Amino acid sequence: NAGVMQNPRHLVRRRGQEARLRCSPMKGHSHVYWYRQLPEEGLKFMVYLQKENIIDESGMPKERFSAEFPKEGPSILRIQQVVRGDSAAYFCASSPIRRGTQDTDTQYFGPGTRLTVL
Amino acid sequence: AQSVTQPDIHITVSEGASLELRCNYSYGATPYLFWYVQSPGQGLQLLLKYFSGDTLVQGIKGFEAEFKRSQSSFNLRKPSVHWSDAAEYFCAVVHTGRRALTFGSGTRLQVQP
Repeated sequence: NAGVMQNPRHLVRRRGQEARLRCSPMKGHSHVYWYRQLPEEGLKFMVYLQKENIIDESGMPKERFSAEFPKEGPSILRIQQVVRGDSAAYFCASSPIRRGTQDTDTQYFGPGTRLTVL
Repeated sequence: AQSVTQPDIHITVSEGASLELRCNYSYGATPYLFWYVQSPGQGLQLLLKYFSGDTLVQGIKGFEAEFKRSQSSFNLRKPSVHWSDAAEYFCAVVHTGRRALTFGSGTRLQVQP
């Protein structure tokens, strides 16, 4: 069973460009979470999605950031008009949310995408 | 709002010595508690988790953690540290009604030969 996959692993953008980060959850998982890790800091929650639905976006910056998880294909985190402060590692996690098991609420993380804005 | 505190930013231990990493949480009800480990440039790997039941939880790589409700703590322990344990360790909490993990700021572990 392949783990959570993210690509690209490293992404370099110039200020003002767009960044698209992709996340494929583990097989059988239908819930995806995005977190951001700034240098020398812990991870901060950004958004929680199910297929075709944004469930909780309380951690998303109000502007320039968006996320989707279409019926088919990976989840996408999109950052428009990137600025230097967007440089960070972006992690995706997925979970199965199966009733009656202890896998409920256990999130499994991908390797991350490290975004550098020049 | 829930929060997680890892009071030790950086810890250095000798190989073979015992280890305890501290984690305190702030939340009214019993949360779900996790420890993750992150090696440099890598993603997070789940070490162990506590949902309910036995307050002493066994994890991978010889780690264990004990949930103490009275102290709002979930400290991670290992009886004998190996050089390969050098990494950053994150405590995290989630409570029912939300799915988002709240992470502590992490403890960086160095292991001396």
